[in-house]
Amino acid sequence: EIVLTQSPDFHSVTPTEKVTITCRASQNIGDHLNWYQHKPDQSPKLLIRYASESLSGVPSRFSASGSGTEFSLTINSLEAEDGATYYCHQTSTLPGTFGQGTKVEIK
Amino acid sequence: QVQLQESGPGLVKPSETLSLICSVSDGSMTSYSWSWIRQAAGKRPEWIGRVLSSGTTEYNPSLKSRVTISIDTSKRQFSLSVTSVTAADTAVYFCAGTFFDAEGVHWFDPWGRGILVTVSS
Repeated sequence: EIVLTQSPDFHSVTPTEKVTITCRASQNIGDHLNWYQHKPDQSPKLLIRYASESLSGVPSRFSASGSGTEFSLTINSLEAEDGATYYCHQTSTLPGTFGQGTKVEIK
Repeated sequence: QVQLQESGPGLVKPSETLSLICSVSDGSMTSYSWSWIRQAAGKRPEWIGRVLSSGTTEYNPSLKSRVTISIDTSKRQFSLSVTSVTAADTAVYFCAGTFFDAEGVHWFDPWGRGILVTVSS
């Protein structure tokens, strides 16, 4: 089973700051990586698929990159509504697995 | 826009069977496969399994012996059953649409809001 390790586990940031979350895979997963945003009491939301492809409707301040074993999600100019836990998710092999999550707190 | 809603008991006794239903509003159930995912407190999400509109299923090997997922497209529902539950099965259970491409790459979209199921006597 492929293990995804995110860093940091927690990020406390002020609005307008830039946030970068990294996700490392225990083996090569190509670009088979998704990113989700999960706000409390809401449904998780798919932000990114194929490592860097943003879904329709996702604000342009969200971007992602990477391939192989190293991936990142960047939020440029953070807004108050971006407070959430972010998860990476690999689908290179079944079962797909998730990272442990990165909680982004807005100061 | 497809919306999903989980329903079922929030409390299940140890050794009994956990049963949940996911209701799907709008859209075609044949456009997706349908997954269950769970997340225990403080843990990462765990994919449980999926069902296609044809009824074909695929399960996480770690849970396969205790899990059944089925679908009733006429009711616009799919369901999850987990037998012989223990405290380790306490989690928030999510249902999600699952899109697979030709290479098997997949993603979950949309998700339900989740339902907390506690296993306790």
